[in-house]
Amino acid sequence: DTGVSQNPRHKITKRGQNVTFRCDPISEHNRLYWYRQTLGQGPEFLTYFQNEAQLEKSRLLSDRFSAERPKGSFSTLEIQRTEQGDSAMYLCASSRDGYEQYFGPGTRLTVT
Amino acid sequence: AQKVTQAQTEISVVEKEDVTLDCVYETRDTTYYLFWYKQPPSGELVFLIRRNSFDEQNEISGRYSWNFQKSTSSFNFTITASQVVDSAVYFCALRTQAGTALIFGKGTTLSVSS
Repeated sequence: DTGVSQNPRHKITKRGQNVTFRCDPISEHNRLYWYRQTLGQGPEFLTYFQNEAQLEKSRLLSDRFSAERPKGSFSTLEIQRTEQGDSAMYLCASSRDGYEQYFGPGTRLTVT
Repeated sequence: AQKVTQAQTEISVVEKEDVTLDCVYETRDTTYYLFWYKQPPSGELVFLIRRNSFDEQNEISGRYSWNFQKSTSSFNFTITASQVVDSAVYFCALRTQAGTALIFGKGTTLSVSS
């Protein structure tokens, strides 16, 4: 199987700008997750999709964050009006059965 | 509340040494799942193992072995005869049966020198 892919791998943006990240899960994985990882910490859950339905959102997902998964395939994560505190690695994972989650390489966001 | 504690922040060993990474978890659920992931310098989290709460058998895979003890809420990971390529951050994670998200510890950075 081709693994989870994420684009871009790196993004540098100025505070106040909007950014969008894309995740392509492993084909036939109907479950998709977004996590955020800051330096020295483990990943923290942001949101979960089963097919195209967004079934769970963490309290970390402020109203500046929005995620979509149209047609149950790829997913996008958008951050509006970025803040310096948004600087982190954004990780996407997919799963076939909800047990093992397979992670992509991540998108590293730097907000200047 | 669910929680995973990896008390060892950093461990340094010399090649061929054995090393054990500790993981202690907290949950009130009777059914749950424990995981170990490896994050090499490239950044991608690599799945290593899943263990179900109702299966306390220890597991060995090559140089890797895992010791699950419900009595002490621990799920420790041992690397035998460590190699430089084992250098990475290792994360222990927990998922309850009702939950969807993985709850990660803060990770242990393992450095193996030649």
